[in-house]
Amino acid sequence: SQTIHQWPATLVQPVGSPLSLECTVEGTSNPNLYWYRQAAGRGLQLLFYSVGIGQISSEVPQNLSASRPQDRQFILSSKKLLLSDSGFYLCAWSYTGNTIYFGEGSWLTVV
Amino acid sequence: QKEVEQNSGPLSVPEGAIASLNCTYSDRGSQSFFWYRQYSGKSPELIMSIYSNGDKEDGRFTAQLNKASQYVSLLIRDSQPSDSATYLCAVNGSPSGGGADGLTFGKGTHLIIQP
Repeated sequence: SQTIHQWPATLVQPVGSPLSLECTVEGTSNPNLYWYRQAAGRGLQLLFYSVGIGQISSEVPQNLSASRPQDRQFILSSKKLLLSDSGFYLCAWSYTGNTIYFGEGSWLTVV
Repeated sequence: QKEVEQNSGPLSVPEGAIASLNCTYSDRGSQSFFWYRQYSGKSPELIMSIYSNGDKEDGRFTAQLNKASQYVSLLIRDSQPSDSATYLCAVNGSPSGGGADGLTFGKGTHLIIQP
């Protein structure tokens, strides 16, 4: 069966510091991968998606970037965090772009 | 811009009753529809998917789809306190509608089952 792992689970970072969240999927090959963010009082916002190694598409302009160095690895990064980057970050995968399965999520607080 | 609308609630339902959750969507071309459950502080988990007009039943859950009215609903029969959570409605495609993969989510309805 397929599993998705995401880390770290929680982190508190000062404004202006860098960020790296990592996600790996097991039990499947060539999945579609996604990064979503859920901010307080807001819905799930699609940030990035990837259909293959090195292929990244951004849904919204922002302070973040994503990379996919390996087939089942997806990384979310920032060079300098803003207060507005705080939220619950979710990595997800799918086969066809339809049904999406989420990882455990990472809580980011920027102080 | 693709949009999915849900009443944020809270929706309070007595234990054992039927909980009815509703969702409307803006893109008439949407083909796939999903309900996710999210407990506080946790990631969303898939409950049901529906692709055709009508009802689809899975245990205590029934999803209903009406594409003409652009309306999706979720019924939970014999509601239990463990059903208390936020329920997210989602449709296929990215919010920008630019052909990207992924789902567009509503903000969710907070459901409270009262013992």
